[in-house]
Amino acid sequence: GAGVSQSPRYKVAKRGQDVALRCDPISGHVSLFWYQQALGQGPEFLTYFQNEAQLDKSGLPSDRFFAERPEGSVSTLKIQRTQQEDSAVYLCASSMGQRRYGYTFGSGTRLTVV
Amino acid sequence: DAKTTQPTSMDCAEGRAANLPCNHSTISGNEYVYWYRQIHSQGPQYIIHGLKNNETNEMASLIITEDRKSSTLILPHATLRDTAVYYCIVSGVQTGANNLFFGTGTRLTVIP
Repeated sequence: GAGVSQSPRYKVAKRGQDVALRCDPISGHVSLFWYQQALGQGPEFLTYFQNEAQLDKSGLPSDRFFAERPEGSVSTLKIQRTQQEDSAVYLCASSMGQRRYGYTFGSGTRLTVV
Repeated sequence: DAKTTQPTSMDCAEGRAANLPCNHSTISGNEYVYWYRQIHSQGPQYIIHGLKNNETNEMASLIITEDRKSSTLILPHATLRDTAVYYCIVSGVQTGANNLFFGTGTRLTVIP
């Protein structure tokens, strides 16, 4: 597609429920990133993939957060046993592989945990 | 990666140039300056980046001081659609160093 696509656009989860957020990057982009954005704050890095390899997961806030990109294209961010503090916009970005090309972000998934 | 300092908010009259400053006094020699913006309810949008020289593209110009400790993003003729949060980011291109630190940015409001 022409851009990075994320689904669902909005997700409401009950506390304790597991959720899965999907990211379709731009075709051919080898690098994929997940960011978390709390209300009124800038995006914060969660994890980074180069093709199917997860090279950096230092930003994942707890072991309830898990990301995968098994075939090097679509990625899924899974949050287990959601908590209220997980409420945020989850942004996915992709790039050609080197940062100087800039990242293309999707519109994000707004997760609300009630 | 070096951190940046930006004003919290700025106003600009429609049709005038918007000049957004950024301080990055701890920038190192291999670190680029990136600018992104985020319009309400959208993901961040890449604007421009530079290393040492001034850069210009269809969206904006980036002026980097000779000592590289600060830079200015210039939107030459601001429109209402330029109202957004603008993030100045300094980051290296080392292998594995792919995290962009956004901070809180500058909220630019373009006034009719």
